[in-house]
Amino acid sequence: DAGITQSPRHKVTETGTPVTLRCHQTENHRYMYWYRQDPGHGLRLIHYSYGVKDTDKGEVSDGYSVSRSKTEDFLLTLESATSSQTSVYFCAISAAQGYGYTFGSGTRLTVV
Amino acid sequence: KNEVEQSPQNLTAQEGEFITINCSYSVGISALHWLQQHPGGGIVSLFMLSSGKKKHGRLIATINIQEKHSSLHITASHPRDSAVYICAVKEETSGSRLTFGEGTQLTVNP
Repeated sequence: DAGITQSPRHKVTETGTPVTLRCHQTENHRYMYWYRQDPGHGLRLIHYSYGVKDTDKGEVSDGYSVSRSKTEDFLLTLESATSSQTSVYFCAISAAQGYGYTFGSGTRLTVV
Repeated sequence: KNEVEQSPQNLTAQEGEFITINCSYSVGISALHWLQQHPGGGIVSLFMLSSGKKKHGRLIATINIQEKHSSLHITASHPRDSAVYICAVKEETSGSRLTFGEGTQLTVNP
């Protein structure tokens, strides 16, 4: 009954390999977000989507791309993973501006 | 300087104590959120407010728009309240995006 699920929950990958993280929602919310969480920083926005095929960059978008081909799925891709992208990644959804947010459980990514 | 500052960074309390966590921000906002992140990592939304005060159980959130300040209070604290509490603001000019504070780690000892 989570309404939002992230996969995988944990991943270890090698430097230089591509990685895709998936966020899936069953709430039919318009807005979807990808954040990363690192020690010493608050959650920082990577990319967000305001509708199917409508996406925009956040404050830490370098090295990341996203796609949203249908309402329920928002994919985050690291084209060539680097050690600086080791982090915990959170997806969030929101029905509209001014509404609350629901967060996924997070994906812990380690790049070795 | 972060746009959203929380204090304290770490807080240890004894069960039953009244707890206050503060959040100050430097930008114009349309809403402020308080979130809770448990040791397992999941993030839960506690409050969204744009004025005044909200209460849910033992949790109370207040905001003073003129002073750009919000507080989260926990009455009769309990060890299960141990978590990271995060303040986040929706800036007036940012559409739906949030800017987050670094969080306050709360530990409540029995």
